[in-house]
Amino acid sequence: QVQLVQSGAEVKKPGASVKVSCEAFGYTFTSYQMHWVRQAPGQGPEWMGTINPSGGSTRYAQKFQGRVTMTRDRSTRTVYMELSSLRSEDTAVYYCARTASFGGFGDLDYWGQGTLVTVSP
Amino acid sequence: SSEVTQDPAVSVALGQTVRITCQGDSLRSYYASWYQQKPGQAPVLVIYGETNRPSGIPDRFSGSSSGSTASLTITGAQAEDEADYYCTSRDSSGYHLVFGGGTKLTVL
Repeated sequence: QVQLVQSGAEVKKPGASVKVSCEAFGYTFTSYQMHWVRQAPGQGPEWMGTINPSGGSTRYAQKFQGRVTMTRDRSTRTVYMELSSLRSEDTAVYYCARTASFGGFGDLDYWGQGTLVTVSP
Repeated sequence: SSEVTQDPAVSVALGQTVRITCQGDSLRSYYASWYQQKPGQAPVLVIYGETNRPSGIPDRFSGSSSGSTASLTITGAQAEDEADYYCTSRDSSGYHLVFGGGTKLTVL
């Protein structure tokens, strides 16, 4: 069955970078767009961007342009999200999520378990 | 700021019908999707392509749209439907996804 398995929780200092991984199981990795969504404590989800695992093309939310990099490794069926120049406001749970086979761009049917990133001095 | 907006909170009596709305100019061009999120869990897709339910989602959930407003209707709300609900759509550029601020549904 489809599963997205993310890397473990991270604690970072302000100004540092964090790289979160998302390994895909149970489907053809290159056939489905992957998204990254974050959720700060007590807040709603926030879309960060998306990557095409086949060609590697990316699209980022304007808010994160210049600070986020999404990459993929087809050999390990893994996508990565790296966020730099971290600040306290980046403390959040970060999710990867797959575009549904039956839907369109914003229809995300499978989600990872989430990775808590805490930014603290 | 979000390009799609939702009422922060809505309540419904058990077994009654409730509608949760999402407003935004981009909804005139792009369809909405809806997610249910319970505490400590990832969001779950309950409506896609404006009106469609993924398999496993009860048929008491339905979606509709008119103009710049998309709606999620729960007909015969159950206690387990108490959750946060988020709409999503493309933004005005069409290239990015935006989430609404969410509606907290309380089932009384």
